[in-house]
Amino acid sequence: DAMVIQNPRYQVTQFGKPVTLSCSQTLNHNVMYWYQQKSSQAPKLLFHYYDKDFNNEADTPDNFQSRRPNTSFCFLDIRSPGLGDAAMYLCATSNRLAGDYEQYFGPGTRLTVT
Amino acid sequence: AQRVTQPEKLLSVFKGAPVELKCNYSYSGSPELFWYVQYSRQRLQLLLRHISRESIKGFTADLNKGETSFHLKKPFAQEEDSAMYYCALSSIWGNTPLVFGKGTRLSVIA
Repeated sequence: DAMVIQNPRYQVTQFGKPVTLSCSQTLNHNVMYWYQQKSSQAPKLLFHYYDKDFNNEADTPDNFQSRRPNTSFCFLDIRSPGLGDAAMYLCATSNRLAGDYEQYFGPGTRLTVT
Repeated sequence: AQRVTQPEKLLSVFKGAPVELKCNYSYSGSPELFWYVQYSRQRLQLLLRHISRESIKGFTADLNKGETSFHLKKPFAQEEDSAMYYCALSSIWGNTPLVFGKGTRLSVIA
């Protein structure tokens, strides 16, 4: 089935130790998003790629970076994780070229910072 | 600025009772409204969107521009409806990020 895949599902990292979360999609959608969702809060958009164009939200900390080497893959890099970065990270895609603005979500990666 | 408000964090209803999950929004442009649902241990997924005017799993939602609301309704709740529901807003042109409300957890009691 075409889908959005996130690896790993659970990630534990140490305070200050860089970590990378990955997302892949078989939907061939041109837009990919990264959201942060903390407990009992709404998903918060960190950034998104429209094709190769990177769009950063104004309040996304510099500690968060992203890479999209090709259509299928997108990575979230946290350069120096702090305790406050512990959250669920959601990847999503949409097919704006087809005029469809529905977002398709992956299962998420739960990040724990020790 | 775009804003979505879901006033209830938790809503508990008995099986067979009507359900209404409230959503109000603030947006100066032409909005597109969505309801997303997250069942236990499953991914966030689209339930319905106002443009399609569909009924999905018995749920409907009507966009009321005068009241800036997009409440989700179902006449008879089922146990399998228990989930987290998020209202979300974008522009109809799709050129603004999706903004989510904080979500309402629906619990349907047998």
